[in-house]
Amino acid sequence: EDQVTQSPEALRLQEGESSSLNCSYTVSGLRGLFWYRQDPGKGPEFLFTLYSAGEEKEKERLKATLTKKESFLHITAPKPEDSATYLCAVQERWGEQFYFGTGTSLTVIP
Amino acid sequence: GAVVSQHPSRVICKSGTSVKIECRSLDFQATTMFWYRQFPKQSLMLMATSNEGSKATYEQGVEKDKFLINHASLTLSTLTVTSAHPEDSSFYICSVKRGGRNMNTEAFFGQGTRLTVV
Repeated sequence: EDQVTQSPEALRLQEGESSSLNCSYTVSGLRGLFWYRQDPGKGPEFLFTLYSAGEEKEKERLKATLTKKESFLHITAPKPEDSATYLCAVQERWGEQFYFGTGTSLTVIP
Repeated sequence: GAVVSQHPSRVICKSGTSVKIECRSLDFQATTMFWYRQFPKQSLMLMATSNEGSKATYEQGVEKDKFLINHASLTLSTLTVTSAHPEDSSFYICSVKRGGRNMNTEAFFGQGTRLTVV
């Protein structure tokens, strides 16, 4: 069965303290891996799509990388406004459904 | 700007009444839309896949007669929670997928609807 696991469940960082979030996945064939940011009471906001191992994408303080088994979301010098839940989702090659992880709740302390 | 518009953002209803949630694709025509439910501190759980012009596909354990989905046009899907009960209180989110079946795709999400049944 397809599965997406995110770790850690929660992460507290001091402002400026860089770290990484992990998303491990098992699918029969990967069409794409997606990262989203979700603020409380809001729908997920799209961040990145990664399609193949070795691919990297960057946006401001965020950088997403992908291997055949997992993806990392690196946060460099985070700011308090980066506090949110970060969701990872995968889409299998032959289907349309997105499989979501449970998310990592990030808190950046000033 | 927003790609997907979901309305209402919050609704409180009495037990036994029905509530309709709308999901509109603003930037492109969507043959497929997804409806999710999210409990506090949990991931999004897919409820059903809404297909324009045909019946929705429901996930196992989701009651078709309780959660009515209508995808009447390429830009609008609605979810109606019928005879709502307090246990239906949750955060409901719709999603629109850009791209055809054999293309790389992205999913965009609505703002979500917080349903509280009292």
